[in-house]
Amino acid sequence: QVQLVQSGAEVKKPGASVKVSCQASGYTFTTYGINWVRQAPGQGLEWMAWISGYNGNTNYAQSFQGRVTLTMATSTSTAYMELRRLRSDDTAVYYCARGRVPLIPAASFEYWGQGTLVTVSS
Amino acid sequence: QSALTQPASVSGSPGQSITISCTGTSSDIGGHDFVSWFQQHPGKAPQLVIYDVNKGPSGVSNRFSGSKSGNTASLTISGLQAEDEADYYCTSHTDNITWVFGGGTKVTVL
Repeated sequence: QVQLVQSGAEVKKPGASVKVSCQASGYTFTTYGINWVRQAPGQGLEWMAWISGYNGNTNYAQSFQGRVTLTMATSTSTAYMELRRLRSDDTAVYYCARGRVPLIPAASFEYWGQGTLVTVSS
Repeated sequence: QSALTQPASVSGSPGQSITISCTGTSSDIGGHDFVSWFQQHPGKAPQLVIYDVNKGPSGVSNRFSGSKSGNTASLTISGLQAEDEADYYCTSHTDNITWVFGGGTKVTVL
């Protein structure tokens, strides 16, 4: 069965960077894209970015341009999200989510990781 | 890209039907049929309940249905049950090859 397992909770200081991993299993990693979505405490969902498992192409939300980078390691079926210059309002649960159909960025998010809490505090 | 607009809360009695609206623009909902809805219980990851405006994933109750008219999408939950009490989010693909979410709607079963 499809599973996305994310790395553990992180505590970072303002200005630092964080890198969250999302290891996939149960399907061919290079066939599907991975999205990253975050949720601040008590708030709604916010889409951040998408990476193609096929060729590593990326799309980023304008609000995160220049501060977030998505990468992947096909050898370990793992996607990574790095967020730089952290601020207190970056405190959130970060989710990875796999597209429902292969390859296309417009595929909805059918499978989700368990979420990774990133806390930014001095 | 501005967030899609959802009502903050909707409530209904068991067995009733409720509808949640989600309003965007011609650059997202109005121009694309890639509209999805997610259910989220407290402390849990979101779960897809509707994709591509009106399609239900396997394993999801057929009490959930979706539709779209112009720049507004809607999610209807029929035969409301206690387990349907949760937050619901709409999302749409956009002209910029990005996704935009609604602010979320809290559904309360009276």
